[in-house]
Amino acid sequence: AQTVTQSQPEMSVQEAETVTLSCTYDTSESNYYLFWYKQPPSRQMILVIRQEAYKQQNATENRFSVNFQKAAKSFSLKISDSQLGDTAMYFCAFMNHRMTGANNLFFGTGTRLTVIP
Amino acid sequence: EAQVTQNPRYLITVTGKKLTVTCSQNMNHEYMSWYRQDPGLGLRQIYYSMNVEVTDKGDVPEGYKVSRKEKRNFPLILESPSPNQTSLYFCASSLSQPGGRNTEAFFGQGTRLTVV
Repeated sequence: AQTVTQSQPEMSVQEAETVTLSCTYDTSESNYYLFWYKQPPSRQMILVIRQEAYKQQNATENRFSVNFQKAAKSFSLKISDSQLGDTAMYFCAFMNHRMTGANNLFFGTGTRLTVIP
Repeated sequence: EAQVTQNPRYLITVTGKKLTVTCSQNMNHEYMSWYRQDPGLGLRQIYYSMNVEVTDKGDVPEGYKVSRKEKRNFPLILESPSPNQTSLYFCASSLSQPGGRNTEAFFGQGTRLTVV
């Protein structure tokens, strides 16, 4: 099975500052996807950003960007210009991209981010 | 609107009383799955289904059952709930086909289950 590790259970950042959330994973697969999901207090799971392992370019979605280091199996999320609405639990997730069988989603344990006014 | 609908949102039950949490999606997705979320453990997969009548165990299947008689529905069944099944449950669906590119998972709003 794949493992996803988030070593920061909690983090905080001042409003308008930048914060980076860490994620490492372990896999023997060559093709896969990586995701960051946001879970605000409403409990809804919201996709923040997605990275395809075969793409070397780091994914970016507005204020959210990733630093994908395939050799190091690292996938960190950078949030720029942090806003109060970014306060949430953030989950890193991994999905295989096989040609046969199920492509299941594996999650890390989460990082609770608090944006301080 | 594309969505995954779970019911109920909240449920308190007693040990041993059978219950079902329903999940329905309107996106014609083949793949559906159930997760439980516990503090410090993240989301762990209970069961998944790659298509109608095709289900398989995830990482924590003990004490749970599922069925997939129709493409849109994937109910989670607890035949004899126990307090250690107190958790937040999520249903998810996706076009996660082998080799496919559309891999985003859509989640339901969660079911908070308490077993006393």
